[in-house]
Amino acid sequence: NAGVTQTPKFRVLKTGQSMTLLCAQDMNHEYMYWYRQDPGMGLRLIHYSVGEGTTAKGEVPDGYNVSRLKKQNFLLGLESAAPSQTSVYFCASTRTSGSYEQYFGPGTRLTVT
Amino acid sequence: GENVEQHPSTLSVQEGDSAVIKCTYSDSASNYFPWYKQELGKRPQLIIDIRSNVGEKKDQRIAVTLNKTAKHFSLHITETQPEDSAVYFCAATPGTYKYIFGTGTRLKVLA
Repeated sequence: NAGVTQTPKFRVLKTGQSMTLLCAQDMNHEYMYWYRQDPGMGLRLIHYSVGEGTTAKGEVPDGYNVSRLKKQNFLLGLESAAPSQTSVYFCASTRTSGSYEQYFGPGTRLTVT
Repeated sequence: GENVEQHPSTLSVQEGDSAVIKCTYSDSASNYFPWYKQELGKRPQLIIDIRSNVGEKKDQRIAVTLNKTAKHFSLHITETQPEDSAVYFCAATPGTYKYIFGTGTRLKVLA
């Protein structure tokens, strides 16, 4: 049981390049989330998904797109990276009943130069 | 809009002393209040949580208190140890799918 995994762990992009971050969970969770973490600003929600094929905007969605084609995967895309998107990105998942605990992935450190 | 304020942003205590971190939330619909601990370079991990129908919850040296009327909740760590040094985040949940996190408290336990 791997829990929540993220690939890649690190990435450096030049301004204007694109990339996709992959999040995978093997806990059969319905809800999945993408956050960014910047110093002094906590965890800010980018996009989330309440089920396969469904996505919604969070607090800071501009410049990002997401897709949830399979229940276990949640992809975060940057179409044209900007230095302001330099951050640590965390994926998380939670189930729909019982505990509301969010399980986080190990994070992806992205630098945009 | 919805937000969670967390104080202090940094906290230094002597080993063995207690530490208290406080959070205030704005959305009265929030009904679940978790606390996460994040060690340097690691992912956030749940350490304790409380639901809105409970006023206090304890787990060994950690406790959380909730005042729904005042819309604030607090994390209490007693007999602090060096391994308690980390960043702590509170969160409030206006809905089952939506978490609003505080900005974090960096706790340093001095040996």
